[in-house]
Amino acid sequence: QQQVKQSPQSLIVQKGGISIINCAYENTAFDYFPWYQQFPGKGPALLIAIRPDVSEKKEGRFTISFNKSAKQFSLHIMDSQPGDSATYFCAAMGRGSRLTFGEGTQLTVNP
Amino acid sequence: NAGVMQNPRHLVRRRGQEARLRCSPMKGHSHVYWYRQLPEEGLKFMVYLQKENIIDESGMPKERFSAEFPKEGPSILRIQQVVRGDSAAYFCASSLAGLGGGTEAFFGQGTRLTVV
Repeated sequence: QQQVKQSPQSLIVQKGGISIINCAYENTAFDYFPWYQQFPGKGPALLIAIRPDVSEKKEGRFTISFNKSAKQFSLHIMDSQPGDSATYFCAAMGRGSRLTFGEGTQLTVNP
Repeated sequence: NAGVMQNPRHLVRRRGQEARLRCSPMKGHSHVYWYRQLPEEGLKFMVYLQKENIIDESGMPKERFSAEFPKEGPSILRIQQVVRGDSAAYFCASSLAGLGGGTEAFFGQGTRLTVV
């Protein structure tokens, strides 16, 4: 019940395209859903986060869509750029400051 | 303001030796978290500490692993009698307060432990 399932495992997108990564969770106690970006050899960095009281949050080219009834949330990267090539992790958290991460998606944006 | 500092960046230990991983949180941060990342997997929570206190150690293996965050100095993750399965990247994160409510966790660059 503590798992967060993420798909796809890897994604290849052309420059200018839309990258979409999906996550699903089981634990209804989760109330905070961040996305992290990780470059090789670096630690994860917070990209954008959402709470379940809204269905969408947009920051620049990055948008989170949240479906509370389906217990799913997704990251959309508009106008994808080669510099966006990285591993993306969704995560979820309830009370207690413990992040539960998805398995990660390796995104490659071709020029 | 330096970020979360972890050292060493790379650590090689023979089976049976001890590994000590250090984490200096961001200035002013009193909450520290340790996560482990196995190859091709996501990060798995290990332990959450505040100064001198372990808040949540539910992700720590029962044996050989311990963590501390003393009043002075860095947080230490200690792995005794390492085995090959301990080979992973260990990430530390810190925050100003407990997570949620707008508080963000900042991650270090990790320590990559290789057990030979």
